[in-house]
Amino acid sequence: ILNVEQSPQSLHVQEGDSTNFTCSFPSSNFYALHWYRWETAKSPEALFVMTLNGDEKKKGRISATLNTKEGYSYLYIKGSQPEDSATYLCALHGSARQLTFGSGTQLTVLP
Amino acid sequence: DVKVTQSSRYLVKRTGEKVFLECVQDMDHENMFWYRQDPGLGLRLIYFSYDVKMKEKGDIPEGYSVSREKKERFSLILESASTNQTSMYLCASSSPSGHQETQYFGPGTRLLVL
Repeated sequence: ILNVEQSPQSLHVQEGDSTNFTCSFPSSNFYALHWYRWETAKSPEALFVMTLNGDEKKKGRISATLNTKEGYSYLYIKGSQPEDSATYLCALHGSARQLTFGSGTQLTVLP
Repeated sequence: DVKVTQSSRYLVKRTGEKVFLECVQDMDHENMFWYRQDPGLGLRLIYFSYDVKMKEKGDIPEGYSVSREKKERFSLILESASTNQTSMYLCASSSPSGHQETQYFGPGTRLLVL
């Protein structure tokens, strides 16, 4: 079983603050890195799929970077809003066909 | 829009009962997955299926079985529910596209076993 770690486990920020969190994974077994957002009472939804070292993806105020050599990805949220409150999950696609998920970062944006 | 539905949002069962969790997707996806999510742990894969009547064990298959008689439906079965199976269960589906394939999730079933 691959070890995918996310930090911090939870985070509280004020509305308007920018924030970031980390996903670490074994660099020796990398094919793709997925980010999902899971809002309370809703289904997890895909944010990004990243495959190349140095990849940077952006969706509105949310962006992500990838470093496959050192085995980490950062997710950034610029100017956090209360609607950004959710659990952010990263998942590694290794040599097996299934995803291995981290335990998530629970973000709360305070108005 | 891809839609993955699960038969119940909340379920309460007694120890020893047989429990069926149903998942249906409407996008003709070949792949379907069952996960459970517990506090402090990531989504853990129980079983998955790449085609009708095919099934493969995930990381934590003990105490579970699955059925995939039709392409759109993937059922998770708890033969004899136990309290340690109290959890949030999530179903997902995807279309094969290599390592970039995106999984689409249902809203989850929160199961309480008393």
